[in-house]
Amino acid sequence: AQSVTQLDSQVPVFEEAPVELRCNYSSSVSVYLFWYVQYPNQGLQLLLKYLSGSTLVKGINGFEAEFNKSQTSFHLRKPSVHISDTAEYFCAVHSGNTGKLIFGQGTTLQVKP
Amino acid sequence: NAGVTQTPKFRILKIGQSMTLQCTQDMNHNYMYWYRQDPGMGLKLIYYSVGAGITDKGEVPNGYNVSRSTTEDFPLRLELAAPSQTSVYFCASSYSRLLELFFGEGSRLTVL
Repeated sequence: AQSVTQLDSQVPVFEEAPVELRCNYSSSVSVYLFWYVQYPNQGLQLLLKYLSGSTLVKGINGFEAEFNKSQTSFHLRKPSVHISDTAEYFCAVHSGNTGKLIFGQGTTLQVKP
Repeated sequence: NAGVTQTPKFRILKIGQSMTLQCTQDMNHNYMYWYRQDPGMGLKLIYYSVGAGITDKGEVPNGYNVSRSTTEDFPLRLELAAPSQTSVYFCASSYSRLLELFFGEGSRLTVL
């Protein structure tokens, strides 16, 4: 069965600093990986996804993630964060031929002025 | 285009009561999902459906039931509500399993 672990529950960072949100997954079959963002009192929206091809994936709002099969990781990065990036970020994995999309526990990104 | 609509947005239940959370999407999506979100736990998949007439269990199905009689609707039924079911529930839909999920605004349920 697939699972997702987000290694940090909270990440505080100053505005304009770089940030990395870590995600590790486990699955015995091919995986498809996603990052979603949730702003306060809203549903989730897609940041980026990896299905195949280039392991470096670029998403919206300047975010990017790198798929590393040997380390079973899919870390999210942004070179310079803004106050508006303050939100909760979720890594998710879709594996095999089922319809299941499994989410990690979430990481709260707190951008400080 | 309304997207994914969930009702009600808020509800308080007494232990042992039953209720149905409604979810409707107008995007002709095949895949629909119900998740619950608890602080520090992320989103847990309750049930999902890959098309009308087809449903399957997710990670935490106990205490819930679903049906999918039409493409548009995917109601979630809580039987005999328990305090452990206090949570925020999200419905989501997708055209296919590898495409973006579109989420509703959530339904906050409290069981006292």
